Amino acid sequence: EAQVTQNPRYLITVTGKKLTVTCSQNMNHEYMSWYRQDPGLGLRQIYYSMNVEVTDKGDVPEGYKVSRKEKRNFPLILESPSPNQTSLYFCASSLIPGQGYGSYEQYFGPGTRLTVT
Amino acid sequence: DQQVKQNSPSLSVQEGRISILNCDYTNSMFDYFLWYKKYPAEGPTFLISISSIKDKNEDGRFTVFLNKSAKHLSLHIVPSQPGDSAVYFCAASASGGYQKVTFGTGTKLQVIP
Repeated sequence: EAQVTQNPRYLITVTGKKLTVTCSQNMNHEYMSWYRQDPGLGLRQIYYSMNVEVTDKGDVPEGYKVSRKEKRNFPLILESPSPNQTSLYFCASSLIPGQGYGSYEQYFGPGTRLTVT
Repeated sequence: DQQVKQNSPSLSVQEGRISILNCDYTNSMFDYFLWYKKYPAEGPTFLISISSIKDKNEDGRFTVFLNKSAKHLSLHIVPSQPGDSAVYFCAASASGGYQKVTFGTGTKLQVIP
């Protein structure tokens, strides 16, 4: 089954304690991305990656890091979480947008609800 | 600066009637648009898309209309069904090396049986 998995699904942590949210896809997609969803703000892109070792900032990258050492994995790292990073996070993957039919369609994981106190 | 806007946070429609969800954008570089549907406790799922070379795309009960001059797109659902109750996000992307995807704020659709 084609899917994007995220772990953990729920996480409560304290300010300043480093954490990593993992994301993995089994569709051999080149493009992966992280979003956060906040009330009234919709989905905002944090970082995206076009392929292994190729990452770029989205619209709200401050306070986040990513890495893409393998094609299937795209972890999101919060080195010093703060309460304003409390949010619902989604990982997504697709073909490289614009390269072929259906390439813009992203597959999303189930989400990770993060609370930073 | 919200480049993709969905000005209606919520919409209620009777079952069997038409649902119209609207989306406006400001960036003229956007040339591909998508709609996603999101149920609670799940990730968004792709619904329908349209390229800027078209003004309409239809898939079953779902039709997306694009008005480039007005920088406006809309999603029509006919007939609406209770299972369509969800949050709908529009999204926009620009080709030519600009690979960011910008989402709107979402519209919560409730279809009343």
